[in-house]
Amino acid sequence: SQQGEEDPQALSIQEGENATMNCSYKTSINNLQWYRQNSGRGLVHLILIRSNEREKHSGRLRVTLDTSKKSSSLLITASRAADTASYFCASVIQGAQKLVFGQGTRLTINP
Amino acid sequence: DGGITQSPKYLFRKEGQNVTLSCEQNLNHDAMYWYRQDPGQGLRLIYYSQIVNDFQKGDIAEGYSVSREKKESFPLTVTSAQKNPTAFYLCASTPPGWAGKDTQYFGPGTRLTVL
Repeated sequence: SQQGEEDPQALSIQEGENATMNCSYKTSINNLQWYRQNSGRGLVHLILIRSNEREKHSGRLRVTLDTSKKSSSLLITASRAADTASYFCASVIQGAQKLVFGQGTRLTINP
Repeated sequence: DGGITQSPKYLFRKEGQNVTLSCEQNLNHDAMYWYRQDPGQGLRLIYYSQIVNDFQKGDIAEGYSVSREKKESFPLTVTSAQKNPTAFYLCASTPPGWAGKDTQYFGPGTRLTVL
């Protein structure tokens, strides 16, 4: 399978704590994207990091990319109950015009 | 109000029946995609179309068929050959010149249940 893997599969933390999710992929990529999915809904794009970037920030989100290890991480700082959702990484493989999704991390923020 | 619409939101099918899921977009996007999502899993690509009257198989096309007669519409038919069709189906689209450079835009999804 071309799908990447995400770790952990599930994460439960207290409101205000930071949440870190990791993603690994298998082949060379053009960029890597992170999406959020609320239960039973479509996916919403959060952030994109290009293969020549190492770190990117957007509000409370921080994404890192290590192409030598074929891995990425998403950090959500100062978590809120509304951050409860599933988070997916998706990579754009070089030469292909499609996304390859990881299996997702289910994040629960406890008030 | 621009976006991607999918209908119906919930769909029930008896075994052996074909069923068609609708996906419409008014974003003037060229490419459209169908994904399947099983509980606790990521998305798997079924079919995609980069232009009208052309489409390509994704990773799990068996038991599914599509058509792309209009730029705005990309219906997915789940045929009786699909042995385990119960899943959440998501449609997405991308603007001209996407080539993976930006986000895909997703519809709200259709949950299909086989009775």
